[in-house]
Order: sequence, then structure tokens, then C-alpha cells
Amino acid sequence: QPVLTQPPSASGTPGQRVTISCSGSTSNIGGNTFSWYQQLPGSAPKLLSYGTNQRPSGVSDRFSGSGSGTSASLAISGLQSEDEADYYCAAWDYRLTAIVFGGGTHLTVL
Amino acid sequence: QLHLQESGPGLVKPSETLSLTCTVSGGSISSVNYSWGWIRQSPVRGLEWIGTISYGGITSYNPSLQFRVTISADTSKKQLSLTVTSVTAADTAVYYCARTYSGFADLGFWGPGTQVSVSS
Repeated sequence: QPVLTQPPSASGTPGQRVTISCSGSTSNIGGNTFSWYQQLPGSAPKLLSYGTNQRPSGVSDRFSGSGSGTSASLAISGLQSEDEADYYCAAWDYRLTAIVFGGGTHLTVL
Repeated sequence: QLHLQESGPGLVKPSETLSLTCTVSGGSISSVNYSWGWIRQSPVRGLEWIGTISYGGITSYNPSLQFRVTISADTSKKQLSLTVTSVTAADTAVYYCARTYSGFADLGFWGPGTQVSVSS
């Protein structure tokens, strides 16, 4: 069972704004920064957001991370067909002394 | 541009040792600013952090794997290595190497991954 909890699926229509949630605890999201990754079929994960709400160079500003307490969220605005992918949250867990991942959310663009 | 490439045997027998290499091009692996990690992914276990090696050869391992895993770096060859001993079917996964982007847990650059199956 993943340490971080994500909904298994989400969906939206082109142009829409969707939000993916990630629930953790005080030992991970609540006590540290977190990251979000996008994984396209057959590819390695790609870092979308880190340090809670920062984007790596080259990542579209349509992706934005945020957090509140022990929960994190990834918002995707102006949804596009190429956004259809699996999305994962991750954080350092100081109790487990490990990087922990969510189980992933599959986003479908209808 | 930084490029990472994993390599190793696609098939390992149960109880044997798995050895993988990550070859890095387009950048140094001995920078004090970055760390290098191994992560694996399977349909059953999802994404699982295996461990990380930082500047000076300092290693951190997932407690669930720490007694079977060793990560090392050869800066002259620009290669990272992962060994997993006493493998079982549960170690079947796609194995990735990655470099941090900013913080310890921000994995910003990934290799394409290599599939490892454990079977007799």
C-alpha cells in the first residue's frame, strides 16, 4: 500500500482545469516539500513540480503544485490531449527515512 | 545535455545477484550539488525508491531494501552501479537511475529504464 494516497483516476475535457490530490502525513508532505511527476506510456517519469510549487526549466506553466497541511495537489489548466498520462506525487518521509511515492493517478482526456 | 542510460541483464535467476549500471553523459557525476538515485517500478509495487548516492560516496537506502542493496559510483567512468542480492520474483521491475534537480527527493533527470525479470 503506497504511503501517499492518490485517486486511481481522473478525467477532463480539453481546455478544462483538473486537480489531482495526494494525501500524506506529518512525516512526509506535512513536514517536507513534495514533488509531482508525469509518466507517459512507455516512458520514464518526468519531474513537473518540486519544492511544493516550483517548476523545472521547460515545464509548462499549465502545471502547478500546491499544498495544505498533509495534502498536496497538482492542477493542470488548459487540458490537452497530450496530458493523458499517469501522475505521481512524492516526498521525503523522515519517519521512514525514504523517498515515498503515491500510487499514481491516471488522467484521461475525454 | 544530460543523458542517463541503464544497462544490465534482462533476466536473473532467483537467489542470485542483480547488477545494473547507469552510464552518464553530458555532465559530471561528482558534483556536490546533485545526488544520484535508483528507483524501480512494477505493476504490484508501483514506484519504489531504492537508494541514493551523494557527493563523497554517501549513500542512503530504502530501509525495506537496505540489507540487500549496494549503490556505488565510478567517477572516472561516469557510471553508477546497483547491486541487489538474493533476488526473488518480487524484484521483477523496470529499474531507473535518476539525478536530483534541486532537493534530495526531486528527481529531475531519468534514464529510460531497463526491465529486469527474476525467473528460473
